[in-house]
Amino acid sequence: DAGITQSPRHKVTETGTPVTLRCHQTENHRYMYWYRQDPGHGLRLIHYSYGVKDTDKGEVSDGYSVSRSKTEDFLLTLESATSSQTSVYFCAISESGGRSYEQYFGPGTRLTVT
Amino acid sequence: AQKITQTQPGMFVQEKEAVTLDCTYDTSDPSYGLFWYKQPSSGEMIFLIYQGSYDQQNATEGRYSLNFQKARKSANLVISASQLGDSAMYFCAMREGLDNQGGKLIFGQGTELSVKP
Repeated sequence: DAGITQSPRHKVTETGTPVTLRCHQTENHRYMYWYRQDPGHGLRLIHYSYGVKDTDKGEVSDGYSVSRSKTEDFLLTLESATSSQTSVYFCAISESGGRSYEQYFGPGTRLTVT
Repeated sequence: AQKITQTQPGMFVQEKEAVTLDCTYDTSDPSYGLFWYKQPSSGEMIFLIYQGSYDQQNATEGRYSLNFQKARKSANLVISASQLGDSAMYFCAMREGLDNQGGKLIFGQGTELSVKP
């Protein structure tokens, strides 16, 4: 199994509070991604990173920011959490070559915004 | 715009029988990749199989095979000899192009497969 951990695994927070989710990898992979999973929508890309300090927006980036200061860590921040951000958040990693950017996923973080 | 469609929200199959999960895609990029992932009730996302747009043969991984019909833009997953442990949600996903920004995936909505004993 790819070495990907996410923290926290579960979090309940109140509307308007800032929240940071952490993704940590031990594979030294170049690419990292944050997705959210909601019923009826599959997984949707929030932000991704293609190197240290190199990030870009995905399909559903509004209300989220990311940072990557080290290869192994990719942080997702909700500046002011809203109930619509209640979701399961997955981090993924990939590397060029191999099975063409096959992505390995972390265990997920279940976030509830009340 | 790129899009992945899975038209079967739920399916049932008898143990030891084969089952096909449908996936159609839409893209104007000649270079793309198609993936299938399994998500059991425990929640993790498990990679199953990959097919590149230029691959001449259909991909196979153990009991999983991908029925790739490029002209019809379909990439159906075939699971042979279903097992109870195959009960899960299955997602089809597509990556467009190959660039230095890695492989951003677009996912379908998923198909929930239930295997009956």
